[in-house]
Amino acid sequence: DAGVIQSPRHEVTEMGQEVTLRCKPISGHDYLFWYRQTMMRGLELLIYFNNNVPIDDSGMPEDRFSAKMPNASFSTLKIQPSEPRDSAVYFCASSLGTLSPLHFGNGTRLTVT
Amino acid sequence: GNSVTQMEGPVTLSEEAFLTINCTYTATGYPSLFWYVQYPGEGLQLLLKATKADDKGSNKGFEATYRKETTSFHLEKGSVQVSDSAVYFCALSFQAGTALIFGKGTTLSVSS
Repeated sequence: DAGVIQSPRHEVTEMGQEVTLRCKPISGHDYLFWYRQTMMRGLELLIYFNNNVPIDDSGMPEDRFSAKMPNASFSTLKIQPSEPRDSAVYFCASSLGTLSPLHFGNGTRLTVT
Repeated sequence: GNSVTQMEGPVTLSEEAFLTINCTYTATGYPSLFWYVQYPGEGLQLLLKATKADDKGSNKGFEATYRKETTSFHLEKGSVQVSDSAVYFCALSFQAGTALIFGKGTTLSVSS
């Protein structure tokens, strides 16, 4: 099993640009989570899906953030327009049910200048 | 609401020292409790878990016991190694269909 795959690994962009982060969960997992990690705020849950349906997006900071899961093997997190305060490491994770361990990807380090 | 509180770091230890990282939780029921570890440049990975009171989770020399009376799940290791240097997260899962609640993480740095 390849684990949760995120791309790109690093993204550097200028303020105002659109950014799209991608995630491929582990096959068969029915939950997918997007987290953001910063030194100041720690690990924050942004949104999670069950069977491709968004369940809770209350952690999405602003309307500039959107997430989709068009099928069981792919999800995107989009920021448009990006701002310097969006700089962080964004993690995708998947699990089989919510009481089983989360499997994290290696994250996307986003830098907005 | 449900929450997890961890001791603030960083924790700096010499190799072979004893480690304790405190974790307490607030929950309206009886959650499952987890410790996750994040090595530099990687995502989090499950270290150990406990699903009911008095359960002890253990892995790689680390242990934590689910204490309902003190609402705690402290992480311990008898002799740390340099390779244990990482960020450790305590987390709880309260009910099916809801996301894990993580603590803020505690950075451990072990020197030889």
